[in-house]
Amino acid sequence: TQLLEQSPQFLSIQEGENLTVYCNSSSVFSSLQWYRQEPGEGPVLLVTVVTGGEVKKLKRLTFQFGDARKDSSLHITAAQPGDTGLYLCAGESYNQGGKLIFGQGTELSVKP
Amino acid sequence: GAGVSQSPSNKVTEKGKDVELRCDPISGHTALYWYRQSLGQGLEFLIYFQGNSAPDKSGLPSDRFSAERTGGSVSTLTIQRTQQEDSAVYLCASSSPTGGTEAFFGQGTRLTVV
Repeated sequence: TQLLEQSPQFLSIQEGENLTVYCNSSSVFSSLQWYRQEPGEGPVLLVTVVTGGEVKKLKRLTFQFGDARKDSSLHITAAQPGDTGLYLCAGESYNQGGKLIFGQGTELSVKP
Repeated sequence: GAGVSQSPSNKVTEKGKDVELRCDPISGHTALYWYRQSLGQGLEFLIYFQGNSAPDKSGLPSDRFSAERTGGSVSTLTIQRTQQEDSAVYLCASSSPTGGTEAFFGQGTRLTVV
């Protein structure tokens, strides 16, 4: 069974601080996706990383895929209250026809 | 429609009753997923349909849960003899065969078993 472990599970910070969320697994994934979910809504894709070692930037968000394609990180610089939400990583399995496995999520709260 | 549509948006049912949750995926999307989410938690995989392949049912928690997808489009998740622990938000997502595996989610069905 492929599992994705996210840490931390909860994060409460002040506006302007930096933070990093981690997503780890013992399994290799063909791609790794990051989603953000707001209350009452479904998750929305932020980014997909495919190549080991790949780094993608989306404004103040930086995503990295581990060299071995087993782990990923999301770094937010100068967090803002609008960044508040549930962040989810999802791995695309290699041998299960593209099935997406989600981590348990990181609940981020950014206080003004 | 433009996005994934789920109905009903909210469902309150009595313990022991059966419920059906519906998902209309984005037109042309061959992959369809069902996930379950408890308050503030991650997504628990339930079932995955991909084209004409046999569905991956490995996440269904018990034989009270079943799902079907008719004509490669609309899907129905059925929960028989509902229990209080079935209370959660049930999310459906679909993805395109040409767009990678980006999953587009519906807004979910909030199921409350009383």
